[in-house]
Amino acid sequence: QKEVEQNSGPLSVPEGAIASLNCTYSDRGSQSFFWYRQYSGKSPELIMFIYSNGDKEDGRFTAQLNKASQYVSLLIRDSQPSDSATYLCAGANTGNQFYFGTGTSLTVIP
Amino acid sequence: ETGVTQSPTHLIKTRGQQVTLRCSSQSGHNTVSWYQQALGQGPQFIFQYYREEENGRGNFPPRFSGLQFPNYSSELNVNALELDDSALYLCASSPGRAATGELFFGEGSRLTVL
Repeated sequence: QKEVEQNSGPLSVPEGAIASLNCTYSDRGSQSFFWYRQYSGKSPELIMFIYSNGDKEDGRFTAQLNKASQYVSLLIRDSQPSDSATYLCAGANTGNQFYFGTGTSLTVIP
Repeated sequence: ETGVTQSPTHLIKTRGQQVTLRCSSQSGHNTVSWYQQALGQGPQFIFQYYREEENGRGNFPPRFSGLQFPNYSSELNVNALELDDSALYLCASSPGRAATGELFFGEGSRLTVL
């Protein structure tokens, strides 16, 4: 069974701090990993994807992938109140079928 | 470029009834996936359609069925509704089945089963 595990939180950080979100996955066949942000009552929107070991940076966001440890993380630098949302980690297999974690709720305190 | 659209946005049904949810994929996308998101949970993969054929299915019973049409729009049908079917149903399209492709989600159809 394909599983993606995330700490459900809630995670609270002060404005300007670094938020660190983590997930682990069980399916070694997963090819790519995605971080989605979901505001309450809205649909998920893509933040970043990563498919190679190491780090990938995009603005204030850095995704990290360690396939040996089956671990994915997302760092948000200079956190803003608008970053307050639920962050979903997902793995995708070769058929582009996504398996999501339960999400981590992040609150950035002004 | 038109995004993914879903209808209806909200609906209420009673246990045992049947429901059909509709999705129009983003222009140029030939793959549609359906996800169920219960309150406080992550989206769960229901099934995927690629060029009108089912191309993968998650752990959902046969009363969840779907279709994809030649224009790549799609329907999700759920028969014999149960209370636990209450959820946000998300449709997502992608330009293909490649694992490096992102999913483009619609705003969802929120189903309440009483």
